[in-house]
Amino acid sequence: GESVGLHLPTLSVQEGDNSIINCAYSNSASDYFIWYKQESGKGPQFIIDIRSNMDKRQGQRVTVLLNKTVKHLSLQIAATQPGDSAVYFCAENMKAAGNKLTFGGGTRVLVKP
Amino acid sequence: DTAVSQTPKYLVTQMGNDKSIKCEQNLGHDTMYWYKQDSKKFLKIMFSYNNKELIINETVPNRFSPKSPDKAHLNLHINSLELGDSAVYFCASRDLDHGYTFGSGTRLTVV
Repeated sequence: GESVGLHLPTLSVQEGDNSIINCAYSNSASDYFIWYKQESGKGPQFIIDIRSNMDKRQGQRVTVLLNKTVKHLSLQIAATQPGDSAVYFCAENMKAAGNKLTFGGGTRVLVKP
Repeated sequence: DTAVSQTPKYLVTQMGNDKSIKCEQNLGHDTMYWYKQDSKKFLKIMFSYNNKELIINETVPNRFSPKSPDKAHLNLHINSLELGDSAVYFCASRDLDHGYTFGSGTRLTVV
């Protein structure tokens, strides 16, 4: 079946260091993948996405890597800041299923000053 | 000028009651969704509507009934509320070019 696996661990990062959040997925038919940030009391907020025909995409301080061979997705945050503290989710979109967005379980990132 | 707005933000109600959550988007998107987030932060899709037509209907109890009077609105009505319905419910909308936009959530507590 379809699943995007990301058990909810907590990643503690020193301010200024780089953060890496990992995600495993199982559905190779997904057409693109998205990373979301969710702060307390708010809805998921789009960070960056990557299409299934790409293996890397960069944004402002963030990079997403997609390894289709091992069905692995990662989000790298450069120079992590206190405002980056949140829960991060990976999600996969399946156009064939009516653009169904399936989320992983989330990773909590805590930035230590 | 909130893009996706949900009301109410908090809802506390007794078991057995019927309640509704409303969602409106002013982005002109064709597709709207309801997601449920449980106490472990897991987000799961419930329903999707495209231009008032039901597209996705996951394994959700019949007590949950979405209604889309027009493509800018997707409401969620819940009958005979149960303790297990306690969660945060998120509305989202989407268009082909700009991806998904989520509302700020409705925290439902059934007591």
